[in-house]
Amino acid sequence: EAQVTQNPRYLITVTGKKLTVTCSQNMNHEYMSWYRQDPGLGLRQIYYSMNVEVTDKGDVPEGYKVSRKEKRNFPLILESPSPNQTSLYFCASRSLGGTGSEKLFFGSGTQLSVL
Amino acid sequence: GNSVTQMEGPVTLSEEAFLTINCTYTATGYPSLFWYVQYPGEGLQLLLKATKADDKGSNKGFEATYRKETTSFHLEKGSVQVSDSAVYFCALTRRGRDDKIIFGKGTRLHILP
Repeated sequence: EAQVTQNPRYLITVTGKKLTVTCSQNMNHEYMSWYRQDPGLGLRQIYYSMNVEVTDKGDVPEGYKVSRKEKRNFPLILESPSPNQTSLYFCASRSLGGTGSEKLFFGSGTQLSVL
Repeated sequence: GNSVTQMEGPVTLSEEAFLTINCTYTATGYPSLFWYVQYPGEGLQLLLKATKADDKGSNKGFEATYRKETTSFHLEKGSVQVSDSAVYFCALTRRGRDDKIIFGKGTRLHILP
């Protein structure tokens, strides 16, 4: 089954404690992206990657890091989380080029609370 | 720049009512347009799309027509069900190096039995 898998689903942490949210896709997609969803603000892109070792900033990259060492994985790293990073996070992927390439596949989300 | 504006929610309707969720866009060139749906506790999933002017996307009884003259892509359904309760996002692709997908802020829909 084609899917994007994020872990964990829920995470509660404290300010300053480094954390990683994992994301993996099994569709051989070139493009992967992280979004955060906040009430009244919709979805905002944090970082994206168009292929292995190619990453770029989205609209709200401050306080986040990503890496793309393998095509299937795209972890989101918060080196020193702060309360304003409390949010619902989504990973997404899609292919680049060809029929259906514009369709984004989303993970189920990670609800992060930073105390 | 490119942007998507959709009606604010929440929208509350009774079962079997007619639904319209308005969406207008600003874009250079000829973007593709989408509606994504987010059911409670889940990620977004593509509901329908249209890639050129006058195209109509449809799925699960929902429809939207790409209107270039009014820069709109309104979502409609003739008879909603309780199971349609979700958040709906209008989106467009920005043509360019990364074909970035730009989302509206979402409209929450509540359907009452």
